[in-house]
Amino acid sequence: KAGVTQTPRYLIKTRGQQVTLSCSPISGHRSVSWYQQTPGQGLQFLFEYFSETQRNKGNFPGRFSGRQFSNSRSEMNVSTLELGDSALYLCASSLQGAGEGETQYFGPGTRLLVL
Amino acid sequence: AQSVTQLDSHVSVSEGTPVLLRCNYSSSYSPSLFWYVQHPNKGLQLLLKYTSAATLVKGINGFEAEFKKSETSFHLTKPSAHMSDAAEYFCVVSDNTGGFKTIFGAGTRLFVKA
Repeated sequence: KAGVTQTPRYLIKTRGQQVTLSCSPISGHRSVSWYQQTPGQGLQFLFEYFSETQRNKGNFPGRFSGRQFSNSRSEMNVSTLELGDSALYLCASSLQGAGEGETQYFGPGTRLLVL
Repeated sequence: AQSVTQLDSHVSVSEGTPVLLRCNYSSSYSPSLFWYVQHPNKGLQLLLKYTSAATLVKGINGFEAEFKKSETSFHLTKPSAHMSDAAEYFCVVSDNTGGFKTIFGAGTRLFVKA
């Protein structure tokens, strides 16, 4: 089976712009979670989608949003970018969700640089 | 409330010597516990997981971890380090209280000296 794929792999934006990142989960996986990884804050949970519904959300401002399509592919959007949004954004998929004790399979990430 | 504490931000060992990466957790209910590894410029890979079965869990590449409820610990060990083990390691706790929540530890960077 193909692994989790994320596009684009690298992205440079300027402050105030918006960005959309894409994640394709492993075939058959219905849960997709997003994480932000920075040197200062480590790995932080953004949100999880399951069957097109947001099931849980971390402590991020409303500028961070996401959605999931019927084929389980997911997108996350960040509006009005700030310098502090520069990070590696990781997507992970699992069958039913990590809260069920399942393994999450991670993509390679999208590295976002905000200038 | 959940929390994960990785007790060492950096660990340095010589090749061929044992590895110990320490993790303590806090969870209201029976948690699932994971160790992931991240090599430079790569995504995270699962090493092993504990989900209330055997307390000694064996993972890939010779790693294992022991769940100790009385000590709320889930330390990662390997008898003999290899150069390719140099990476960052994350301890993760997950449970379903109040909705799915997964918390990552801050990470431990492992250095392996020749």
